[in-house]
Amino acid sequence: NAGVTQTPKFQVLKTGQSMTLQCAQDMNHNSMYWYRQDPGMGLRLIYYSASEGTTDKGEVPNGYNVSRLNKREFSLRLESAAPSQTSVYFCASSAPGDVQETQYFGPGTRLLVL
Amino acid sequence: AQSVAQPEDQVNVAEGNPLTVKCTYSVSGNPYLFWYVQYPNRGLQFLLKYITGDNLVKGSYGFEAEFNKSQTSFHLKKPSALVSDSALYFCAVRDYTGGFKTIFGAGTRLFVKA
Repeated sequence: NAGVTQTPKFQVLKTGQSMTLQCAQDMNHNSMYWYRQDPGMGLRLIYYSASEGTTDKGEVPNGYNVSRLNKREFSLRLESAAPSQTSVYFCASSAPGDVQETQYFGPGTRLLVL
Repeated sequence: AQSVAQPEDQVNVAEGNPLTVKCTYSVSGNPYLFWYVQYPNRGLQFLLKYITGDNLVKGSYGFEAEFNKSQTSFHLKKPSALVSDSALYFCAVRDYTGGFKTIFGAGTRLFVKA
């Protein structure tokens, strides 16, 4: 099992450009999440999807959109990138019914917006 | 609202000495608490969790954590630190208000000196 995979690993954008971050998991998990990690701020939830066909806003959703394409894939889109979106983005998944709700994380995407 | 605090940005310890990484939490109900570790350029990895039962929880790589309800703390401990334990550690609490989300602390960087 590959676990949670993310593409690309690194991306440089100019202000105003758009891009989509891809995430896939092969653990048959229902729930998937997108976080951003900034120094001194820990991980902040952008969006999550409790199950296929549903998405909900997290703590910092402004400037982002998501698509739960199917049970395996959960993408994050920046329509018009801004320097404030420079960050490391992590995708995660978990299995409801797992009482402890442990999350499994991808390796991350480093995004630099100039 | 649920929250978690890690009061130390950085903890320094000599190899072979015991280590403690502190975490306090605020929840309205029973807490579901987690510790995750992040090695450089990697995603977060699950270490251990407290759901119910014994206040001393044992996890991966020789780590353990002590749940203290009266002090609302969940400190991470290891009897003998290794240089390879140097990493970024995150405490997290499960948020059941308005959805299934995990709230992460800001992280504590652990340096173990040989």
